[in-house]
Amino acid sequence: AQSVAQPEDQVNVAEGNPLTVKCTYSVSGNPYLFWYVQYPNRGLQFLLKYITGDNLVKGSYGFEAEFNKSQTSFHLKKPSALVSDSALYFCAVRDILDSNYQLIWGAGTKLIIKP
Amino acid sequence: DSGVTQTPKHLITATGQRVTLRCSPRSGDLSVYWYQQSLDQGLQFLIQYYNGEERAKGNILERFSAQQFPDLHSELNLSSLELGDSALYFCASSVEIEADTQYFGPGTRLTVL
Repeated sequence: AQSVAQPEDQVNVAEGNPLTVKCTYSVSGNPYLFWYVQYPNRGLQFLLKYITGDNLVKGSYGFEAEFNKSQTSFHLKKPSALVSDSALYFCAVRDILDSNYQLIWGAGTKLIIKP
Repeated sequence: DSGVTQTPKHLITATGQRVTLRCSPRSGDLSVYWYQQSLDQGLQFLIQYYNGEERAKGNILERFSAQQFPDLHSELNLSSLELGDSALYFCASSVEIEADTQYFGPGTRLTVL
C-alpha cells in the first residue's frame, strides 16, 4: 500500500540556519513526489515536485528537495531559513502504477523559524 | 493567488442543516478535488471530478456529495451536519485527470454549532 510519512510534527530552526523537513514514502512503482506549503489561514501552495531526472529539485522561495531512492526519502531543504518560512509543510506522493491517480498526503510538519 | 476561487469564506450553521460550498477552478483546469482539513485528521481527500465526471473517491461520507457542472465549477453539498464536520474545506484544480500539481483555493471554514 502507498504511504507517506512526515516523522516530525514540528521543526524549530533559528533564522539564518539551514532547515530540513523530512519525508519518507512507500510505493509499489516509481513515485511522483510533491511538497506544498500552507501559510496561516491560506490554502496550500505548490513548492516543487520530482517526476524523473535530476535527484535534486529546486522550487519556489529558495527551497529544494533531494530524491533518494535507496532511502525512499524526499526531504525538503533550504540553506538559510527566514522567519517568513514559518508555515505548515506537506509532502505528497503518487505511485505511477496506481490507476486511481491520487496523491497520498503526509500529516504535515509545522516549521517554526525563530528570529 | 492560485486562480481557484471558493465561496463562501466562512459558514456558520447548526447541526442537522445542509450547506453548499462552491469552487471555480483555474481557467483551463479540468480536474477538481475536494479536501477536508481538520485539526486532528490533517488533510483528507474527499472526491475528484474530471470534466464533469466523478473520477475518484476518498474518505467522503455518505452525507456529503459533490458535482461538477458543464462550466467546470464544482459544488460540495454537506447534509445532516454534525459538530465533527467543522473544518476547513479546500478545493483544488489541475489540468490533467491524474493527480499532478494541484492549485488550491483559499478554503471555506465551516463551523457547525
